[in-house]
Amino acid sequence: EAQVTQNPRYLITVTGKKLTVTCSQNMNHEYMSWYRQDPGLGLRQIYYSMNVEVTDKGDVPEGYKVSRKEKRNFPLILESPSPNQTSLYFCASSLNRGYNGYTFGSGTRLTVV
Amino acid sequence: SQKIEQNSEALNIQEGKTATLTCNYTNYSPAYLQWYRQDPGRGPVFLLLIRENEKEKRKERLKVTFDTTLKQSLFHITASQPADSATYLCALESSSNTGKLIFGQGTTLQVKP
Repeated sequence: EAQVTQNPRYLITVTGKKLTVTCSQNMNHEYMSWYRQDPGLGLRQIYYSMNVEVTDKGDVPEGYKVSRKEKRNFPLILESPSPNQTSLYFCASSLNRGYNGYTFGSGTRLTVV
Repeated sequence: SQKIEQNSEALNIQEGKTATLTCNYTNYSPAYLQWYRQDPGRGPVFLLLIRENEKEKRKERLKVTFDTTLKQSLFHITASQPADSATYLCALESSSNTGKLIFGQGTTLQVKP
């Protein structure tokens, strides 16, 4: 089944403890992106990647890192999480953004205490 | 400043009627505009995409129009059903800032039997 898989689905962590949220797609999509969704603020783009080894900042990149070493994986790294990064995170991918739309993962609900 | 605006108030309609949702944008030159459906706690699901040189797109009971003069897209669901109840998001990618997909905050549609 064609899909975007995020792990974990839920995560509670403490301030300052490094964590990685994984994202993997099995559709050979070149484009991948991370979003966070907060009440009243909607979906905001964190980072995106046009292809392997090509990444760029979205609108809210502070406090996050990404890497794209292979086409299928696009992990989101929080080096030192803070409570303001408590949010619902989505990974998305697309074969051809201008024609096919994006396929989203099921989301990762992160709580930083 | 750049903005994408959708009606923040929920839209309540009777089953069988046509639902019309609005997406307005300012200070963008969209290469294309997309519509997504999102159910609570789940990732957005791609519905339709319309390009800057297209006026209208249809898919089954869904129709999207795009007016670049008015800077507006309308999303219609005909013969609406209770199962259509969800939040609908519009998103656009600017022709001058490829890779950045910006979302509106969404409009919640409630279809009553």
